[in-house]
Amino acid sequence: DAKTTQPTSMDCAEGRAANLPCNHSTISGNEYVYWYRQIHSQGPQYIIHGLKNNETNEMASLIITEDRKSSTLILPHATLRDTAVYYCIVSARKLVFGKGTKLTVNP
Amino acid sequence: GAVVSQHPSWVICKSGTSVKIECRSLDFQATTMFWYRQFPKQSLMLMATSNEGSKATYEQGVEKDKFLINHASLTLSTLTVTSAHPEDSSFYICSAREVTGDNSPLHFGNGTRLTVT
Repeated sequence: DAKTTQPTSMDCAEGRAANLPCNHSTISGNEYVYWYRQIHSQGPQYIIHGLKNNETNEMASLIITEDRKSSTLILPHATLRDTAVYYCIVSARKLVFGKGTKLTVNP
Repeated sequence: GAVVSQHPSWVICKSGTSVKIECRSLDFQATTMFWYRQFPKQSLMLMATSNEGSKATYEQGVEKDKFLINHASLTLSTLTVTSAHPEDSSFYICSAREVTGDNSPLHFGNGTRLTVT
């Protein structure tokens, strides 16, 4: 599975959009981009995934560059409850977690 | 949405004893389940892939005789930590994928916190 690179931490003001970047320059043609988040002492929560097209659901939007070497997760209106570690994973089958980005939403 | 239930949510056991953790997919069938372990302030580490009706596939460095995995049905996988020691104390998390396809998302349980005294 391809490796991903994410910033260690990010801050965002409550009510503003949170844009979390992820680099995955070695992604293969059949690998999907998945985003999960983990709130302290809980299991990871699925957010969104995509192959090459941009995706949107009730939680977030996923923007994948045309060359698929990077992506951005967008939380349109961050709330305090969005404070968590966000993981970007590139995979064809099993999910291997990196260190993720610790997002802190500030009041 | 798809729900994965883990039981127990926490357990304390004495060194040398064995502990069984259950992982159930409540509203979908899962031919494959995955087991992870997470130490404090670290990311999740994949331990093994549990395949219904066949032997589990373990990641490098994970002892198959110590972490016994059974996936007897399409909705249940169990992880047994045998002869537990304090260094096995960790947060164990399972996940499952619906039968529909390899690219469908994994759904995770809420984890089991194991403390070995």
